[in-house]
Amino acid sequence: AQSVTQLDSQVPVFEEAPVELRCNYSSSVSVYLFWYVQYPNQGLQLLLKYLSGSTLVESINGFEAEFNKSQTSFHLRKPSVHISDTAEYFCAVSEGGGSNYKLTFGKGTLLTVNP
Amino acid sequence: KAGVTQTPRYLIKTRGQQVTLSCSPISGHRSVSWYQQTPGQGLQFLFEYFSETQRNKGNFPGRFSGRQFSNSRSEMNVSTLELGDSALYLCASSFGGDYGYTFGSGTRLTVV
Repeated sequence: AQSVTQLDSQVPVFEEAPVELRCNYSSSVSVYLFWYVQYPNQGLQLLLKYLSGSTLVESINGFEAEFNKSQTSFHLRKPSVHISDTAEYFCAVSEGGGSNYKLTFGKGTLLTVNP
Repeated sequence: KAGVTQTPRYLIKTRGQQVTLSCSPISGHRSVSWYQQTPGQGLQFLFEYFSETQRNKGNFPGRFSGRQFSNSRSEMNVSTLELGDSALYLCASSFGGDYGYTFGSGTRLTVV
């Protein structure tokens, strides 16, 4: 069965510093991978996704994630964070190329950007 | 275009009652999924519907049920509410596969 581990429950950083949020997954079949962001009292917003092709995927607001099949990881990075990036970030996996119609989420990482 | 709409946003119910939550997906989206979010368990999959058919179901008791209508709108029902059912219930829609679901803002259910 698929599972997702987000290695850090909280990550505090200073504004303009780089950040990496770590995500490892466990699956015996091919997967689709996602990062979602959740702001307080809101739903989840899709940040970026890996379905196939290039292992490096980017979002429009400067985040990027790299799919590493050998290490079963999909870490999220940003070279310089802003106060507005403060939110909870969730890594998710869908097994079997999307054929089970289900996302399995990690427990989330709370990113706090301090001035 | 309009996003995923969930109603109501907030709900307070008494233990033992039942509740129905509603979700209107993005126009053209035929897949609707439901998730429960709690501080202890995180985000857990409830079920997924496509063209009125349930294609997958999570590990929740039979008190949790759902359905999808011909216009793709979906409802979920929880009967005999328990205190532990207090959670944020999120609905998500997509064209039909796991290609990046769009989530609604959720319904915050409090059971007292």
